[in-house]
Amino acid sequence: DADVTQTPRNRITKTGKRIMLECSQTKGHDRMYWYRQDPGLGLRLIYYSFDVKDINKGEISDGYSVSRQAQAKFSLSLESAIPNQTALYFCATSDGTGETQYFGPGTRLLVL
Amino acid sequence: KNEVEQSPQNLTAQEGEFITINCSYSVGISALHWLQQHPGGGIVSLFMLSSGKKKHGRLIATINIQEKHSSLHITASHPRDSAVYICAVPPTVFGKGTKLTVNP
Repeated sequence: DADVTQTPRNRITKTGKRIMLECSQTKGHDRMYWYRQDPGLGLRLIYYSFDVKDINKGEISDGYSVSRQAQAKFSLSLESAIPNQTALYFCATSDGTGETQYFGPGTRLLVL
Repeated sequence: KNEVEQSPQNLTAQEGEFITINCSYSVGISALHWLQQHPGGGIVSLFMLSSGKKKHGRLIATINIQEKHSSLHITASHPRDSAVYICAVPPTVFGKGTKLTVNP
């Protein structure tokens, strides 16, 4: 089984809808991250969490929120989806700053 | 603000060729990472470098801390090496990637 899983893998939604992307990990890592990837751009950090009680905004947090339900689970929500949130979303984990990251398989989101 | 620049953006090679992808970064770092993104989208970490050179199979990564430069080399390239290679200073700085296509 994969160490980092994301659900759903693909999602089509309409403008204005609220959606949640979920991430689970079995690595036992405290640190979890949400990124988005757009064509021609590098990965950009949306939110990150260093433990269950620690949530931090990344470079592009506007329009997103997160919840760290447990060490193993980190969810990303789009409160009111808009078309420019169409992207590939990745969850990742690590056991320390600068340490190797382990990525989930990604979620392709299309907002119509 | 740290940034990384990769070159080239796109690279096409024939099977068996030696490949080099370059990465330059702007400020001092403790470690630089090389990632591979498969055509299906999945991302895996290849190397974490803080100095010198690391080798894994046909892949070799080097870093020069003083010059703020790293290279990823692939020896005897194969079509299965076709992917996007990303240099990064996680968790916040990622290059745009180099798309490598190896033709048989």
